Amino acid sequence: AQTVTQSQPEMSVQEAETVTLSCTYDTSESDYYLFWYKQPPSRQMILVIRQEAYKQQNATENRFSVNFQKAAKSFSLKISDSQLGDAAMYFCAYRSRLPTGANSKLTFGKGITLSVRP
Amino acid sequence: EAGVTQSPTHLIKTRGQQATLRCSPISGHTSVYWYQQALGLGLQFLLWYDEGEERNRGNFPPRFSGRQFPNYSSELNVNALELEDSALYLCASSFTTGDLVSPLHFGNGTRLTVT
Repeated sequence: AQTVTQSQPEMSVQEAETVTLSCTYDTSESDYYLFWYKQPPSRQMILVIRQEAYKQQNATENRFSVNFQKAAKSFSLKISDSQLGDAAMYFCAYRSRLPTGANSKLTFGKGITLSVRP
Repeated sequence: EAGVTQSPTHLIKTRGQQATLRCSPISGHTSVYWYQQALGLGLQFLLWYDEGEERNRGNFPPRFSGRQFPNYSSELNVNALELEDSALYLCASSFTTGDLVSPLHFGNGTRLTVT
């Protein structure tokens, strides 16, 4: 079974600064997806960024980028130029690329609460 | 395009009662997933329905059950409610084309409180 670990329960960043959120995972599979989701106080989980394990290039989405280290099973999220609206809970998630049975579900870490100081 | 919709937004029940939660997926999505988000425990996978069939369930007792209707909407039923069932229940939908699985899109959740 796959596991996802987010060891930092809380982080804080100054507005306009850069922050990195850590995530490690454990799997015996070689082909999978990794995701970062954001959950603001509105409760809706919003997909921030997605990485395919077979791609060596790190994914980027505007101010959000990842550092994917497949051998180390590490998947960190970097938020540049932090904004007040970035304050939320962030979840790292894993999903097998095979869409069958148990592999189709997302496995989540416990999340990290990010606060942004004005 | 309408997103995943869940109802009700809040639900208050008494221990021992039954709760029914509803979810409508994004149009074109055939898979519906249910997750429980209890305080401090992150998101725990409950159930996955695809094309009307239960495909997988998480490590939850049988009193958690559900179904998916022909229009791909879904219900989650929780029988014999216990205090620890109090949580945010999130529904997500996706579609599968061959070996490609779209990212999950989540609804705003149903906050279930058991007193």
